[in-house]
Amino acid sequence: GQNIDQPTEMTATEGAIVQINCTYQTSGFNGLFWYQQHAGEAPTFLSYNVLDGLEEKGRFSSFLSRSKGYSYLLLKELQMKDSASYLCAVTDSNYQLIWGAGTKLIIKP
Amino acid sequence: DVKVTQSSRYLVKRTGEKVFLECVQDMDHENMFWYRQDPGLGLRLIYFSYDVKMKEKGDIPEGYSVSREKKERFSLILESASTNQTSMYLCASSPWTSGGISYEQYFGPGTRLTVT
Repeated sequence: GQNIDQPTEMTATEGAIVQINCTYQTSGFNGLFWYQQHAGEAPTFLSYNVLDGLEEKGRFSSFLSRSKGYSYLLLKELQMKDSASYLCAVTDSNYQLIWGAGTKLIIKP
Repeated sequence: DVKVTQSSRYLVKRTGEKVFLECVQDMDHENMFWYRQDPGLGLRLIYFSYDVKMKEKGDIPEGYSVSREKKERFSLILESASTNQTSMYLCASSPWTSGGISYEQYFGPGTRLTVT
């Protein structure tokens, strides 16, 4: 079956760095997405990786290793507003998006 | 500015009622999706559509139906609402995907449905 694993919850300190991991097993691969979702709101797009390597976008970076079925989202200089759930999703060979259950990130002052 | 709108933010219905959830996008996207989101389960796909009058079942279609009469509008119908359909319902749209490249999905604000 198809599966996406990510930690349920993580805690980090304001100003620090946090890495959220995602591992996947899917039928084929056409890209991996990271979304941010604040409580009670809709998910919003953060990043897309289709080739191996690191994609940097301001304080956020996303890394992909297709051979390992692994990605991470790196958040630097954490701010209180970064408290949210982070969703990993993979597009399979049929272009269907398979979603992880999300990682709730709690930022403490 | 990209926009997906949903007809209601909050809805309370009684068991057995027929419920309509409407979604409209203004980006001329081919693909539209309906998800439900429950704590600890992530996003689960109910139905999707890749063209007008076309629909495909997702992972959990039982108890739901959909309608796409116009490209910009995708409706989710609960034929006879039950308490286990209490959930957050999210609509999304995206451009047609092919050629090894995927495109992000744009989400509406969600409808929190309570069935009593």
